[in-house]
Amino acid sequence: DARVTQTPRHKVTEMGQEVTMRCQPILGHNTVFWYRQTMMQGLELLAYFRNRAPLDDSGMPKDRFSAEMPDATLATLKIQPSEPRDSAVYFCASGRQGEFFGPGTRLTVL
Amino acid sequence: AQSVTQPDIHITVSEGASLELRCNYSYGATPYLFWYVQSPGQGLQLLLKYFSGDTLVQGIKGFEAEFKRSQSSFNLRKPSVHWSDAAEYFCAVGASNFGNEKLTFGTGTRLTIIP
Repeated sequence: DARVTQTPRHKVTEMGQEVTMRCQPILGHNTVFWYRQTMMQGLELLAYFRNRAPLDDSGMPKDRFSAEMPDATLATLKIQPSEPRDSAVYFCASGRQGEFFGPGTRLTVL
Repeated sequence: AQSVTQPDIHITVSEGASLELRCNYSYGATPYLFWYVQSPGQGLQLLLKYFSGDTLVQGIKGFEAEFKRSQSSFNLRKPSVHWSDAAEYFCAVGASNFGNEKLTFGTGTRLTIIP
């Protein structure tokens, strides 16, 4: 049963610390998406990649967020420095339209 | 740019009753349409999707949805709900043109099931 996996599932950190979230897309999927979900904003697209190249990262605060795909089996989302307003659930999704979601990383920044 | 409206923020249904969740989209061409379910603390699970062909789409967990181009709608239905269907439901629209694959999500409808 192929699934998108994400690590860590939960992360609590202090303001100013670096946070790295990892995603393993379903094998063979060459399009990977990062979303953020909050109560206030709902689901927001942060960035997406095809064949490891970024296609759209307009939803991502560029000064502190960065997203990469070091290889076809790993996508990373990094926040440096983290702020309390970054507290959210971060989802990775893969598939042609990103229709297959991972379980998410719940981030709390104190 | 595409957009999605889910007019109902919260719906309460009795167990065993039928369900219809509304979704309206805006997109200039034939859209790709999706329904997801999210239980508390969980990720989004794909219930069904429409790309082309038959406008009545069958999904998992007994759900179905009908694409109505004339009404720009893609409503989700289930003939008899179970207590385990209580969750948040999201409709999403995607562009059918290559190079613009990102999904736009609605704000969600929270479904409560009462005995």
